[in-house]
Amino acid sequence: DGGITQSPKYLFRKEGQNVTLSCEQNLNHDAMYWYRQDPGQGLRLIYYSQIVNDFQKGDIAEGYSVSREKKESFPLTVTSAQKNPTAFYLCAIADRTSSDTIYFGEGSWLTVV
Amino acid sequence: DQQVKQNSPSLSVQEGRISILNCDYTNSMFDYFLWYKKYPAEGPTFLISISSIKDKNEDGRFTVFLNKSAKHLSLHIVPSQPGDSAVYFCAASVRGGSNYKLTFGKGTLLTVNP
Repeated sequence: DGGITQSPKYLFRKEGQNVTLSCEQNLNHDAMYWYRQDPGQGLRLIYYSQIVNDFQKGDIAEGYSVSREKKESFPLTVTSAQKNPTAFYLCAIADRTSSDTIYFGEGSWLTVV
Repeated sequence: DQQVKQNSPSLSVQEGRISILNCDYTNSMFDYFLWYKKYPAEGPTFLISISSIKDKNEDGRFTVFLNKSAKHLSLHIVPSQPGDSAVYFCAASVRGGSNYKLTFGKGTLLTVNP
């Protein structure tokens, strides 16, 4: 959706390297999320943040880290501890003051070789 | 422990006919339900939602029905168009509170044949 920018769209990394995926939003929404999509697995929640300087683990947080130093930014680091990092990563935002609908960015493909 | 289930991995319908996508949930605390449409290599697009205080919500060709007693919801698309071919995800949430998040089903691939 407009206002959410994920980068890069495609990323290749060697096994054992950390990689950071960027997610920026200009809609001034408080809540931001990271989901992962694997074939046949649906969307699974990695981390989420409701306010600046605070975040919570989702269902599959192991091997990932995040930060929320600014309202508009919620970067996700895929560490070497993540056993199956190759996936499609989706950042999302929600404006809790007006609705509880979550809107997604365009996604980032990470391939680890 | 899958709290939101879409038991049909795929569905094929003819153009102009009705598409019915189903979703079941187990967590009785869920009180807000959403449907998303997703094309390959793109982010999901929000389609329609329904609060647990309603049993039906309609938006153009899309209608969502909620049966709370059965913990079941369905998305009806009438008439179906080839451009509706995509993966459809059902999602559920608990409104209120400070840790708001969506729980998704695994998706249903809809193919609308011309």
